[in-house]
Amino acid sequence: QVQLVQSGAEVRKPGSSVKVSCKASGDTFDKFIFTWVRQAPGQGLEWVGGFVPTVAASSHSQHFQGRVSITADKSATTLYMELTNVTSEDTAMYYCARGLVGYPAAFDFWGQGTLVTVSS
Amino acid sequence: QSVLTQPPSASATPGQTLSMSCSGSSSNVGQNPVNWYQHIPGMAPKLLLYSDNQRPSGVPDRFSGSRSGASASLAIIGLQSEDEADYYCATWDDTLDVPVFGTGTKVTVL
Repeated sequence: QVQLVQSGAEVRKPGSSVKVSCKASGDTFDKFIFTWVRQAPGQGLEWVGGFVPTVAASSHSQHFQGRVSITADKSATTLYMELTNVTSEDTAMYYCARGLVGYPAAFDFWGQGTLVTVSS
Repeated sequence: QSVLTQPPSASATPGQTLSMSCSGSSSNVGQNPVNWYQHIPGMAPKLLLYSDNQRPSGVPDRFSGSRSGASASLAIIGLQSEDEADYYCATWDDTLDVPVFGTGTKVTVL
């Protein structure tokens, strides 16, 4: 059974950083692409970035202007998303998800979500 | 912000058929298959359809999808109360070279 288990809720002050983890289990980590998606209050889903474990390559939305870093610890089958210089606009539920092989933008398993709150 | 446009809301009574659209451009929907997600508040999004009209295991066959040109659509045949949720389309954008989501449609079962 595939499971993605994310770290708990975080509260940060503006200008600080936050790092969210996503532990994958139940299938071979290297076989898949992983992604991060967020939903701000009252807003829709927004793609944050993605990671390919086989080549340790990441990509991210230009919306974040280099503030987001997506990494992984393959030995721990854990994905990480770090967001720096956060503002109140980064307050959102952050989800990790696994890509369906061969189908871009199709994410078949999702983590439970991590609420990140940015407040002074 | 989103490059895919969906109607903000849709509603119907139980048993009816409800359809919603996803409008994009030649760089996304016009070129690549569309996926649909069901998002019930407080829960993780769920992949409802992939590659325009393919249902993952466990998704009822009353959910169907299609794509023509730069538009795609999702139909729910025989609407049920548990279908009340937000629905998002998503696809790859060849110009941005990233996945993109639609603006979302909130479905209300009357």
